[in-house]
Amino acid sequence: KAGVTQTPRYLIKTRGQQVTLSCSPISGHRSVSWYQQTPGQGLQFLFEYFSETQRNKGNFPGRFSGRQFSNSRSEMNVSTLELGDSALYLCASSPPGALYGYTFGSGTRLTVV
Amino acid sequence: DAKTTQPTSMDCAEGRAANLPCNHSTISGNEYVYWYRQIHSQGPQYIIHGLKNNETNEMASLIITEDRKSSTLILPHATLRDTAVYYCIVRVASQGGSEKLVFGKGTKLTVNP
Repeated sequence: KAGVTQTPRYLIKTRGQQVTLSCSPISGHRSVSWYQQTPGQGLQFLFEYFSETQRNKGNFPGRFSGRQFSNSRSEMNVSTLELGDSALYLCASSPPGALYGYTFGSGTRLTVV
Repeated sequence: DAKTTQPTSMDCAEGRAANLPCNHSTISGNEYVYWYRQIHSQGPQYIIHGLKNNETNEMASLIITEDRKSSTLILPHATLRDTAVYYCIVRVASQGGSEKLVFGKGTKLTVNP
């Protein structure tokens, strides 16, 4: 079956711009989480959506936002980009039930110049 | 903060067993131990998880001590493709039933020919 699909794979943006990243979870998975990975901070949780509702949010400024659609696809948006937002952004999905492992996508590599 | 402690790096000879330790001394009774690995520039890959009993699947074995304060991931016959960063995670349950993964720095495993 198809895995978690993230688009685009690579992105270059300029400071001050905004960006939208997309994530299509595995069919049947209703929970979608987003993570940011940088060399300095490692993997950090951004937020999690379930049935179009944000259930949990990490410690990131309000410039980072997300949403989930009725088909479970999710998008995250970063406004007013800063150089420090350069990172690998990872999306993960999981089926209903707390015991299953998350399946991660390959990520979107965002570079802010 | 991550609730786990892992060695920064380890080396293993190809074909030998790789034993990756993890300390989670503050783990709660209903928290599971999960292991993921991340090969360079890819998304983390779920390996295995457990609560109190030892677990085995096609990828690895997980040994959890009786007091649950530590665990060991065993790759029985390491190959060069097992070179990756391995993360030990205690699954944190949050309000609303959602759960997030809190990643530490992980262990960089290098399998040598």
